Amino acid sequence: AQTVTQSQPEMSVQEAETVTLSCTYDTSENNYYLFWYKQPPSRQMILVIRQEAYKQQNATENRFSVNFQKAAKSFSLKISDSQLGDTAMYFCAFMKAGTSYGKLTFGQGTILTVHP
Amino acid sequence: ETGVTQTPRHLVMGMTNKKSLKCEQHLGHNAMYWYKQSAKKPLELMFVYSLEERVENNSVPSRFSPECPNSSHLFLHLHTLQPEDSALYLCASSQIRDFQETQYFGPGTRLLVL
Repeated sequence: AQTVTQSQPEMSVQEAETVTLSCTYDTSENNYYLFWYKQPPSRQMILVIRQEAYKQQNATENRFSVNFQKAAKSFSLKISDSQLGDTAMYFCAFMKAGTSYGKLTFGQGTILTVHP
Repeated sequence: ETGVTQTPRHLVMGMTNKKSLKCEQHLGHNAMYWYKQSAKKPLELMFVYSLEERVENNSVPSRFSPECPNSSHLFLHLHTLQPEDSALYLCASSQIRDFQETQYFGPGTRLLVL
């Protein structure tokens, strides 16, 4: 079974600064996907970024980037130039590859607050 | 908007009531999911339907009964719930291909069981 751990229940950052959210996971699988999802106060969960384990290059999406360390089983999210709209709960999630449907395992979440 | 809608958005029910949660996806996906989100706990996968067939029942009590009449709709029928079932219930959908596609989530139904 897989486990995902987010060790920071809450984080805060000033607008325009950079913040990094931590995520570690435990698995015996070699092929898998990792995700960061964002859940704003309105509650609709949206995908922020996705990483395939077989890719060595870290994924980036505009101001969002990850630091994927496969050997260390670490998958942190860096948000650059933080904006007020980034205030949300952030979830790290794991999905085993090669299954007939997607089974996501989520971490406990990190509440990020961006201050003006 | 992610293309996944859920109704109702809020629901209060007594322990003896029967109610249903509805999810509809407008993305042409062929897999749908129910998740439970409780305070201070990770999201828990409850049920998965792939090509309208239930493929996962994650040890969910029988007082929760899913139904997937077609690839666009998913229901969660509730009966004789307990107060500990109060939570946010999220629906998601995805397109199953050779590799896994991203799951898209609805806004959720906030359920309170009295």
